Amino acid sequence: NAGVTQTPKFQVLKTGQSMTLQCAQDMNHEYMSWYRQDPGMGLRLIHYSVGAGITDQGEVPNGYNVSRSTTEDFPLRLLSAAPSQTSVYFCASSSQTYEQYFGPGTRLTVT
Amino acid sequence: GEDVEQSLFLSVREGDSSVINCTYTDSSSTYLYWYKQEPGAGLQLLTYIFSNMDMKQDQRLTVLLNKKDKHLSLRIADTQTGDSAIYFCAESVTGNQFYFGTGTSLTVIP
Repeated sequence: NAGVTQTPKFQVLKTGQSMTLQCAQDMNHEYMSWYRQDPGMGLRLIHYSVGAGITDQGEVPNGYNVSRSTTEDFPLRLLSAAPSQTSVYFCASSSQTYEQYFGPGTRLTVT
Repeated sequence: GEDVEQSLFLSVREGDSSVINCTYTDSSSTYLYWYKQEPGAGLQLLTYIFSNMDMKQDQRLTVLLNKKDKHLSLRIADTQTGDSAIYFCAESVTGNQFYFGTGTSLTVIP
């Protein structure tokens, strides 16, 4: 099992550009989430999904879109990048036992 | 979101016990978690406790839950330099939305 994988590891964007952060899991988990981690603020939930075709907003959804067409994949789209979106992004998945597993993170810088 | 609070820093000497504290506000929290994050890495689940439990022990880790005070603690016995990391407390009511504290940076002094 690879667990939760994220690509890319690092990304630099210019303001206004769009991009997709990829997340995949091979544990057949129903629940998947995206978080951003900023210094002194812990992790904040952006969007989450309770199964294929079902997504919902978390605490800080503005500027981000998600979709869940398969159980395995949960991409996060930045529509028009802003410097405030400079952060480390983590994808996570969890099973019915509510044990959440995290990917290694994507470090995004928006200039 | 729900408020989960932790102190930011803790220093201990190698071999001593570390106690990391966390308070939360949602009395309906069902699951409470401790995660460890090493530099440049993702979060690793250390342990979790159900809200109907008071204590859980797993090798060097002991989790204590005081539901009345909404207080959760993580004790690490015989702390080693490899335990230096950021420790996050998290809570969940539904099991699919998790709320995290700001993290406690543990430094172990040799």
